[in-house]
Amino acid sequence: GDSVTQMEGPVTLSEEAFLTINCTYTATGYPSLFWYVQYPGEGLQLLLKATKADDKGSNKGFEATYRKETTSFHLEKGSVQVSDSAVYFCALSERNYGQNFVFGPGTRLSVLP
Amino acid sequence: DAGVIQSPRHEVTEMGQEVTLRCKPISGHNSLFWYRQTMMRGLELLIYFNNNVPIDDSGMPEDRFSAKMPNASFSTLKIQPSEPRDSAVYFCASSSTTGRAGANVLTFGAGSRLTVL
Repeated sequence: GDSVTQMEGPVTLSEEAFLTINCTYTATGYPSLFWYVQYPGEGLQLLLKATKADDKGSNKGFEATYRKETTSFHLEKGSVQVSDSAVYFCALSERNYGQNFVFGPGTRLSVLP
Repeated sequence: DAGVIQSPRHEVTEMGQEVTLRCKPISGHNSLFWYRQTMMRGLELLIYFNNNVPIDDSGMPEDRFSAKMPNASFSTLKIQPSEPRDSAVYFCASSSTTGRAGANVLTFGAGSRLTVL
């Protein structure tokens, strides 16, 4: 079945550092790929998405490129802020009957001032 | 749109009691998902519906858990009887599969935090 693998956390960075969170996936078809973010005490919210190979999703300074050849969707940000501290989830979705979403285990990011 | 609405936000109950969690999906969305999140097990899919029909309930832990979706605007997750190990945050989420703009994106509610004593 489909699966998503993320780098294990927690990740601790200083403010203005460069961020990479690795994500790789296994899928039978051609999934859409997502990054969701969860701030403390809140639900998950969509950060960015890409629906086909070579697409780049971007939002709030975060970027991720859909790499079909390496089955990856790594999340990057050039300069993190304290307010980026959260848990980040990589996910995929395939359009079959009913459409299911598969999530990775999440990576906790802490940004120190 | 008000987003996905869940109630209650917090529930504290005693072991053996019945718990009912409620969810109102985004209007026009035709898929609804129930997830459970704990520190130990992370985010787990319990069940999802498409057009009010349960598609995959393989994540439902055991017979104590049941979920219904009587119409397109309402779903419930019931635990009877509840046990301390059911303590978790339960999320409802909805999406659309109809191909409109914004489709194929899962939108989460704020969650219901359940504590079973």
